[in-house]
Amino acid sequence: AQRVTQPEKLLSVFKGAPVELKCNYSYSGSPELFWYVQYSRQRLQLLLRHISRESIKGFTADLNKGETSFHLKKPFAQEEDSAMYYCALRGIGNEKLTFGTGTRLTIIP
Amino acid sequence: GAVVSQHPSRVICKSGTSVKIECRSLDFQATTMFWYRQFPKKSLMLMATSNEGSKATYEQGVEKDKFLINHASLTLSTLTVTSAHPEDSSFYICSALPRGRENTIYFGEGSWLTVV
Repeated sequence: AQRVTQPEKLLSVFKGAPVELKCNYSYSGSPELFWYVQYSRQRLQLLLRHISRESIKGFTADLNKGETSFHLKKPFAQEEDSAMYYCALRGIGNEKLTFGTGTRLTIIP
Repeated sequence: GAVVSQHPSRVICKSGTSVKIECRSLDFQATTMFWYRQFPKKSLMLMATSNEGSKATYEQGVEKDKFLINHASLTLSTLTVTSAHPEDSSFYICSALPRGRENTIYFGEGSWLTVV
């Protein structure tokens, strides 16, 4: 079974401060990990995926297989980062995405 | 970029009636579409996987006779909630896998269903 855990439902950070959104997963094989973001009144959209190893909007996430984590980080938060963030997992060869419960990030001006 | 559109975005229906939600891929063909349900303050729960031209695969605990899914073409999947009950009120989201680019998933904007 695959499971994604986001321990923080709400997270408030001051503008300019570092952000870290936690994500832990459970999967027996090699997973693909994703972060999705949903801005207010917009649809869910892909933020980044671990296989791309890219930085999007200043966010990065590193897959740590030892700790089974895929935390999302940004060194300096911006007001436009306020949104709902979902961590998601897909098993290799499996089309299904399993989502975490999401973390609502609020950036305080 | 690729767009997935859901219609209606909001619908209110009476208990006992059926309501249909459409999910369309506007500028690509989708061999596979997914239907999710999101409860308040909860995660997205996968309901079923819909493949064009074949029966949908439902997740455990999802009543296939209640949530009818039809994927009649490569650009359209529909979810019909039959004999709707207030507990079916929820936010339903579809997503689609573009044919030839199955590593990318695009989401619809979601549909709010309220059963009164």
